[in-house]
Amino acid sequence: SQQGEEDPQALSIQEGENATMNCSYKTSINNLQWYRQNSGRGLVHLILIRSNEREKHSGRLRVTLDTSKKSSSLLITASRAADTASYFCATDKYAGNMLTFGGGTRLMVKP
Amino acid sequence: GAVVSQHPSRVICKSGTSVKIECRSLDFQATTMFWYRQFPKQSLMLMATSNEGSKATYEQGVEKDKFLINHASLTLSTLTVTSAHPEDSSFYICSARNGNEQFFGPGTRLTVL
Repeated sequence: SQQGEEDPQALSIQEGENATMNCSYKTSINNLQWYRQNSGRGLVHLILIRSNEREKHSGRLRVTLDTSKKSSSLLITASRAADTASYFCATDKYAGNMLTFGGGTRLMVKP
Repeated sequence: GAVVSQHPSRVICKSGTSVKIECRSLDFQATTMFWYRQFPKQSLMLMATSNEGSKATYEQGVEKDKFLINHASLTLSTLTVTSAHPEDSSFYICSARNGNEQFFGPGTRLTVL
């Protein structure tokens, strides 16, 4: 069964605004990863944060991890229309093990 | 990064026929591959874990006789949807493990008429 829940399920913002998506999970994890998926396409790996890390940056992306609350957030700053996609968090219990995906957030960035 | 391919990218078939989907790791050997299924506007759900040279491990609720998995080599795993029905229409995505990382294929869109 799916482990993660994502919030919000859908988010609509204007270009230039920031988008924040949250993910919660239920059991202990090794890593948490964020992926992007354009409609009907495959997954694009965005960023991985290890269980002993609290924050990570990559370009316009900022990911936080709070293992005490079993939650993570993905912040996209200065959003662009091209950021329109579904975003999923995924966790693994052991390195290289199967990934359990959250429900996803559908982000729409209006030009 | 490592590359994983899937073939075909899109398939349409008649109800009752069988469809084979291939997942290949192009530049690395993968002893473990994973098969996921994604229904429209939903998340990815793990179907099974495929291990080279041994039987696949299926998730609860996934029929092993309907979704046949063969991982006969270190670079190829196949998923065969047997006697496909319209409710099997979905997006099937594989991933291959390389060390401690997983790399995803581009997915296969299956439509059963």
